[in-house]
Amino acid sequence: GAGVSQTPSNKVTEKGKYVELRCDPISGHTALYWYRQSLGQGPEFLIYFQGTGAADDSGLPNDRFFAVRPEGSVSTLKIQRTERGDSAVYLCASSRYKGGDYKGVYNEQFFGPGTRLTVL
Amino acid sequence: GQNIDQPTEMTATEGAIVQINCTYQTSGFNGLFWYQQHAGEAPTFLSYNVLDGLEEKGRFSSFLSRSKGYSYLLLKELQMKDSASYLCAVRSDSNYQLIWGAGTKLIIKP
Repeated sequence: GAGVSQTPSNKVTEKGKYVELRCDPISGHTALYWYRQSLGQGPEFLIYFQGTGAADDSGLPNDRFFAVRPEGSVSTLKIQRTERGDSAVYLCASSRYKGGDYKGVYNEQFFGPGTRLTVL
Repeated sequence: GQNIDQPTEMTATEGAIVQINCTYQTSGFNGLFWYQQHAGEAPTFLSYNVLDGLEEKGRFSSFLSRSKGYSYLLLKELQMKDSASYLCAVRSDSNYQLIWGAGTKLIIKP
């Protein structure tokens, strides 16, 4: 079946511009996560959605970052007034259930291929 | 604070065995994951431990000791395609948020 997809795969923008990054999770997955990853580092948590609502946005670095998931499926991460420090790979992941173990299922997160954002 | 430590880089020989260690200090514990990440690609799930002991899955095994805050990933019969970064992640008591290590880059030599 189809995995998590993300578009665009690469985005180059200029400092100060607005960008939108899209994530299409695995069908039926209720939980969706956004991370960003810099070279040589593990993923850094940004925000978690359960259904349509943001259950935890504590990882968003500042108010320039915002994410939505209006119909509980596709999500869009929006970055305003981009800065050079925003350059990273933005990863989206989804999992079938909310929370931890569920009826013996690991509830592991499945990742998309990422969007490489470069801010010049 | 919450912290995951793993070696930055390891080198091993094709056909050999390698053990990648991970130590963690987190506010809670609800499972430990190992992911593999090839350069330029997304992380892919390898293994999961929530109880102490060894979980075996083909050439890969993962071990957990909760009392020591320690896990390792064991890779046997190494193949060139195993060259990748291996990420350790702990699911804390928040039940969904994963705390990630920086990853161990494994280099396989012929």
